[in-house]
Amino acid sequence: DTGVSQNPRHKITKRGQNVTFRCDPISEHNRLYWYRQTLGQGPEFLTYFQNEAQLEKSRLLSDRFSAERPKGSFSTLEIQRTEQGDSAMYLCASSFETGSLNEQFFGPGTRLTVL
Amino acid sequence: GENVEQHPSTLSVQEGDSAVIKCTYSDSASNYFPWYKQELGKRPQLIIDIRSNVGEKKDQRIAVTLNKTAKHFSLHITETQPEDSAVYFCAASRSNNNDMRFGAGTRLTVKP
Repeated sequence: DTGVSQNPRHKITKRGQNVTFRCDPISEHNRLYWYRQTLGQGPEFLTYFQNEAQLEKSRLLSDRFSAERPKGSFSTLEIQRTEQGDSAMYLCASSFETGSLNEQFFGPGTRLTVL
Repeated sequence: GENVEQHPSTLSVQEGDSAVIKCTYSDSASNYFPWYKQELGKRPQLIIDIRSNVGEKKDQRIAVTLNKTAKHFSLHITETQPEDSAVYFCAASRSNNNDMRFGAGTRLTVKP
C-alpha cells in the first residue's frame, strides 16, 4: 500500500494520559497535514508541515498538542494530559506542493477514545 | 478566517435521480474548492475539485459549479447509484491549500 498510513488505528486511553500518533505520508509528498474529525462533522484543520517545518497551527491546537516531522518524512502528533473532549478521529493527509493547487490524500485515521 | 457552510445535512434520493449539494464560503480570497467522499469507516477521498478561474467542471456523472460572486459552489451527481451513498464534504482554501476548511458534510442515501 503506497498511500498515507497512520498508526495506531484505534487508541483507548484514560483521561490524563499522554498519547502519540504516527503518520507516514506518501513518500514523495513534501506537505503533511493533521486534522481532527468528530462525529457528524467535517475534518478540522490542526496543523501542517512543509518538509520538516511546521508552517501553520490552528487555534484549535492547544498547548497540550504538539506535532513534529523531524526528518520531513513521517510525523507524530502527541496529546498530553488527554481530556474526554479530545475523543475524535485524527486524520493525516499529505500532498505534493508544486506551486499549484494539489490534492490532499488522507490516511485512514486514528480513532482516539478518552475514558 | 474561512467559514464553509454545507446544505443539506442529509439527502435521500431514488436510484437514477440526481442529487445536488450546496456550499457557501466566506473568504473571497479562497480559490480552490474540492469535494470529498467519505464512506462509513473509511478515509475521505477526493472526487472532484474546481479552481476559481473556471465556473464548471464535469467528470462523468459528477459535476461542480462555482459562483464566485455569490461565493457558493455545488456538487451535482446524476444517475445516482446505491454505491454513491456516503458522506460528501465540500472544502475551500486559498492558494497552497494549507488551511483547508471543510463543510459539515451531507449524508447521501441512494435507495435502490
